Amino acid sequence: GAGVSQSPSNKVTEKGKDVELRCDPISGHTALYWYRQSLGQGLEFLIYFQGNSAPDKSGLPSDRFSAERTGGSVSTLTIQRTQQEDSAVYLCASSLIRYNTEAFFGQGTRLTVV
Amino acid sequence: AQSVTQLGSHVSVSEGALVLLRCNYSSSVPPYLFWYVQYPNQGLQLLLKYTTGATLVKGINGFEAEFKKSETSFHLTKPSAHMSDAAEYFCAVSDPKAAGNKLTFGGGTRVLVKP
Repeated sequence: GAGVSQSPSNKVTEKGKDVELRCDPISGHTALYWYRQSLGQGLEFLIYFQGNSAPDKSGLPSDRFSAERTGGSVSTLTIQRTQQEDSAVYLCASSLIRYNTEAFFGQGTRLTVV
Repeated sequence: AQSVTQLGSHVSVSEGALVLLRCNYSSSVPPYLFWYVQYPNQGLQLLLKYTTGATLVKGINGFEAEFKKSETSFHLTKPSAHMSDAAEYFCAVSDPKAAGNKLTFGGGTRVLVKP
């Protein structure tokens, strides 16, 4: 597709359940990023996949959060045993891996934990 | 470590008036600098970026920003606000020594435009 695609656009889940959020990056973009946008914390970096290198997981807030990227394209962010504080908009972005580049963002997945 | 501070979480301007959004950064090396805009229920859209070269950068929708190294600032301006400028604006930095574009964001400034 022309842009970064995220699904679902909205997700309501019960506390304690696991959720999976999907991101389809722009074709040819070998870098993929996940960010979280919440009222109290603003925009926070979560994880960065950079081609075939080991991902930068330094922003993941707890071991309940994990992400994978299959075939260098689609990525899934998984949150296990969701908590109310996980409620946020999860944004995915992609870019080329080179210097002086730009990240393109998807529209996000709004997660509500009830 | 890098950090970004946006002064003012909310700014109200009259239609036709100057828009000025402030951004200061902290970084061990001169970073790349970005301004993004977010309209309701949408993702982030790049307004402009500074990497190297001319310190006055022009972006989309009539916005521009000036990189001032001595002040560690990258303030965003638009001479005349339009109703369609109502949105949230984010300043961000990235490490120019790193390939890719991992961003550190400021807290955002929500702009309200009054008719």
